[in-house]
Amino acid sequence: AQKVTQAQTEISVVEKEDVTLDCVYETRDTTYYLFWYKQPPSGELVFLIRRNSFDEQNEISGRYSWNFQKSTSSFNFTITASQVVDSAVYFCALTPYNFNKFYFGSGTKLNVKP
Amino acid sequence: GAGVSQSPRYKVAKRGQDVALRCDPISGHVSLFWYQQALGQGPEFLTYFQNEAQLDKSGLPSDRFFAERPEGSVSTLKIQRTQQEDSAVYLCASSLAEGGAEAFFGQGTRLTVV
Repeated sequence: AQKVTQAQTEISVVEKEDVTLDCVYETRDTTYYLFWYKQPPSGELVFLIRRNSFDEQNEISGRYSWNFQKSTSSFNFTITASQVVDSAVYFCALTPYNFNKFYFGSGTKLNVKP
Repeated sequence: GAGVSQSPRYKVAKRGQDVALRCDPISGHVSLFWYQQALGQGPEFLTYFQNEAQLDKSGLPSDRFFAERPEGSVSTLKIQRTQQEDSAVYLCASSLAEGGAEAFFGQGTRLTVV
């Protein structure tokens, strides 16, 4: 069974604060992909990052960074120096290696206040 | 267009009415997916097409839901005899490959059944 848990329903921070969004997943597969998507109020899911299960290197892209730890089945997302434009709902998702059937978490709503 | 296009953006249906939701995927994308997103929840898988073949429809909630992609490009999700519990955002996504590829999502169709 595949499952993604995002325990934080909503987080509020003040601009320029750092914030970490947690994601814990369950899967019996040995190969799989993990994703983060951003959903602004317009509704479209915007791709942020994809990670395969063999690549545990952390990744940094500008103010965004991701920490993948297979030992704890976690794939956390950190925004450094948050900005108002980062306000959105963020989804973590899991797919099997050979099939793009996404299993999404319930999302974390991030409010960044000026 | 450059992205996945869905129409209509908003649909209000009276209970019992049939509705048809359209998805125009990115040109050349083999895989097409439909997801249902209830308010405050993550998207849930409905069905998957590889070209014109519907390879997985395990997520369709009832036989009132029907999806097609007759020429391997545009897809239509049809809901017959709509009920209030069908109210949700219906998201379409497309990707180049079957597995592990970045999926591009449309802005969704918000269906409200009254």
